[in-house]
Amino acid sequence: DTGVSQDPRHKITKRGQNVTFRCDPISEHNRLYWYRQTLGQGPEFLTYFQNEAQLEKSRLLSDRFSAERPKGSFSTLEIQRTEQGDSAMYLCASSRGGYNEKLFFGSGTQLSVL
Amino acid sequence: SQQGEEDPQALSIQEGENATMNCSYKTSINNLQWYRQNSGRGLVHLILIRSNEREKHSGRLRVTLDTSKKSSSLLITASRAADTASYFCATVLGGGGADGLTFGKGTHLIIQP
Repeated sequence: DTGVSQDPRHKITKRGQNVTFRCDPISEHNRLYWYRQTLGQGPEFLTYFQNEAQLEKSRLLSDRFSAERPKGSFSTLEIQRTEQGDSAMYLCASSRGGYNEKLFFGSGTQLSVL
Repeated sequence: SQQGEEDPQALSIQEGENATMNCSYKTSINNLQWYRQNSGRGLVHLILIRSNEREKHSGRLRVTLDTSKKSSSLLITASRAADTASYFCATVLGGGGADGLTFGKGTHLIIQP
């Protein structure tokens, strides 16, 4: 169990640029989640995958956001035409699934949009 | 929108004292979980309590759940400096809600040495 890893840890970009984050979940976990967290707030659900299928997307996920999990392993989250309001910590988590699942989180990618 | 609300928002106590945090939620749940987050890091799962359970223990942690009041509490006994962190309650909605956990805003706990 090597844990959930996210890359990069920090990303600074200029408004209008595109950014992509990567998440590598725990290998035997078939569920992968993306959350966004701003300072002083709890994580807010963005989307999740069951294997390679994207099963749910939050209203927070505007059309500038896209997530993929092409082979049911790692996942990428892309933000196009970044805005200052996109500045946040983007957290990835994985689990085995089920209603009593517990999530294992990565350390997050801190995005700053200038 | 966030389902759970933790109370207090911030708590500062002396090392060795007990810390109690509360969580209230709005709709029916399948289970409620507590997570800890150290500054700038991801969240770590602490404990899960199912909707048909009333109390659960794990080491120095004690969690209670009152579904009639839609509330839960987390007690950390004999606190240590390393317990300084933010604590979040999270719920899995019953009756067909999003499968993802819904988190509250958290309680920031500071343990004074």
